[in-house]
Amino acid sequence: DSGVTQTPKHLITATGQRVTLRCSPRSGDLSVYWYQQSLDQGLQFLIQYYNGEERAKGNILERFSAQQFPDLHSELNLSSLELGDSALYFCASSVAVGSGYEQYFGPGTRLTVT
Amino acid sequence: GENVEQHPSTLSVQEGDSAVIKCTYSDSASNYFPWYKQELGKRPQLIIDIRSNVGEKKDQRIAVTLNKTAKHFSLHITETQPEDSAVYFCAASPSSNTGKLIFGQGTTLQVKP
Repeated sequence: DSGVTQTPKHLITATGQRVTLRCSPRSGDLSVYWYQQSLDQGLQFLIQYYNGEERAKGNILERFSAQQFPDLHSELNLSSLELGDSALYFCASSVAVGSGYEQYFGPGTRLTVT
Repeated sequence: GENVEQHPSTLSVQEGDSAVIKCTYSDSASNYFPWYKQELGKRPQLIIDIRSNVGEKKDQRIAVTLNKTAKHFSLHITETQPEDSAVYFCAASPSSNTGKLIFGQGTTLQVKP
């Protein structure tokens, strides 16, 4: 157990819908990262927050958004869902911002869009 | 751009043999290179990492080497065991200001008893 929690574990929804994925980082970690893992794309960095502020953005679609709240939990919002958004979404946390800090991954949320 | 190439995509070895996985990165500013192991249906877990000021690092049966000039790094697993079977991902951190990771495509390692 990494100490990072993600809910829900599984999510099945229809195209065009909107969903929210939740992540709670390890106690004491200030930095949260979101990654998307699909079969043909591997692990793709989406977005990073540090202490409530957006710190870095990757290949995140405009239909996706995220935020980090004062209690440091983070939510990833996915809207106008398409079949291609079906993937495993991982959240990771680290104690600080910057390279060299180990990122601890949560168990992931498996999203299926039908 | 930021890119990490990983080879091979699949690797099958006999128990007790060595396994080597190689990665090449594009951004010369990258300074941190972790390796993650992901078992089926599980989260990626860090197994070893190396920083740009170090050429080699070892942890029991696992070692990582880094060649900054050539921009490539490799994972070496010796005396492989069936429990080493998993998907292995290399990654590079192209920015010291954020810590975001750019991952390779993964290598599926199968260790046959």
